[in-house]
Amino acid sequence: EVQLVESGGGLVQPGGSLRLSCAASTFSFSNSWMSWVRQAPGRGLEWVANIKPDGSEKYYVDSVKGRFTISRDNAKNSLFLQMNSLRAEDAAVYYCATEWWYTFNIWGQGTMVTVSS
Amino acid sequence: DIQMTQSPSTLSASVGDRVTITCRASQSTSSWLAWFQQKPGKAPKLLIYKASSLQSGVPTRFSGSGSGTEFTLTISSLQPDDFATYYCQQYNTYRGFTFGPGTKVDIK
Repeated sequence: EVQLVESGGGLVQPGGSLRLSCAASTFSFSNSWMSWVRQAPGRGLEWVANIKPDGSEKYYVDSVKGRFTISRDNAKNSLFLQMNSLRAEDAAVYYCATEWWYTFNIWGQGTMVTVSS
Repeated sequence: DIQMTQSPSTLSASVGDRVTITCRASQSTSSWLAWFQQKPGKAPKLLIYKASSLQSGVPTRFSGSGSGTEFTLTISSLQPDDFATYYCQQYNTYRGFTFGPGTKVDIK
């Protein structure tokens, strides 16, 4: 079964940093565009960033540009999200997801990020 | 920015009802429109892609239609497992992906 497993979430102070990871199994990770999508508590879904299979193109939602960096290691079937200068409004469950037909067909279970002093 | 709206925001229905949810985009999204179902504490589940294509394994009571700026998700006969929140999502070359605010379907 195709699986995505996120890790790295936790409690961080405003202005702090956190690095999320997503481990992929049982599919051609190295051929897949990958995204991070987040969901603040009780709120809707927000696309955060995505990355081309070879890592040469990366795109971000305006609210995280300059603070978040998406990356990948195809040899390790892993996706990452480095989050710096975290704000209260970044608190959310962060999901990694595979892209397919300009949508997201496989999702991880999510990892919670809490930003609070 | 491309804005997505969904109506209604909440829908109360009974098992067996036909349910329709509408999603509107502020700019044309061609047919790059998808629908998701999400239950509390769970990741979203893809139901429909390319506006009207049923994702593998999704029951045929779910269907999607529309193009351009207006799209609909229809559940032909609501089942107990269908009580959830539904999101539309569009893709735009220049602005990336945008989700609608969601429609909660609850028990009447």
